[in-house]
Amino acid sequence: ETGVTQTPRHLVMGMTNKKSLKCEQHLGHNAMYWYKQSAKKPLELMFVYSLEERVENNSVPSRFSPECPNSSHLFLHLHTLQPEDSALYLCASSQLAGTGGYEQYFGPGTRLTVT
Amino acid sequence: DAKTTQPPSMDCAEGRAANLPCNHSTISGNEYVYWYRQIHSQGPQYIIHGLKNNETNEMASLIITEDRKSSTLILPHATLRDTAVYYCIVRVGANDMRFGAGTRLTVKP
Repeated sequence: ETGVTQTPRHLVMGMTNKKSLKCEQHLGHNAMYWYKQSAKKPLELMFVYSLEERVENNSVPSRFSPECPNSSHLFLHLHTLQPEDSALYLCASSQLAGTGGYEQYFGPGTRLTVT
Repeated sequence: DAKTTQPPSMDCAEGRAANLPCNHSTISGNEYVYWYRQIHSQGPQYIIHGLKNNETNEMASLIITEDRKSSTLILPHATLRDTAVYYCIVRVGANDMRFGAGTRLTVKP
């Protein structure tokens, strides 16, 4: 138990569906992250939120829409996904980083399958 | 960002020390060395990090060479549960952890 929870743990959705992934951290952190891990590929950073503001968006398609309503919650809204978007989606949190050794704590992930 | 080089796979006997190397020859002075591991289909787990000095915690030890161009993660008494992919990452802070392919460690009975 890392203090970061994600729901649902598994999700199957059609290409025309709209769904949302939820992440919650109980660590008092003020930065949160979404990562994508496709089969046999390294983790890819998707979004970074620091103090509830998006500070980085690594050229992610607009069919992925993040939302960070407060420092404890992070959502990833999904719409009109493609089969290649099937992957493990991981949420992480940390204390604000600037310079310094602030580690990230990851949730268990949501296994997404797009049919 | 400094790139890291890790062997793709390693084996270790249960109960023995596992020594996982990482090369980061282009590391700059303010970049930290982080280690994470990922057990199959789970979220990555933070292990340890360091800047210059060697570090030890309840999970592992991190040995950083004096020139900081390489490091070694040591699991002192590997168990079967330590079988995982281990990632060495070099970053200034935690804001952007770029994961490579890592080393797949297999602990064998």
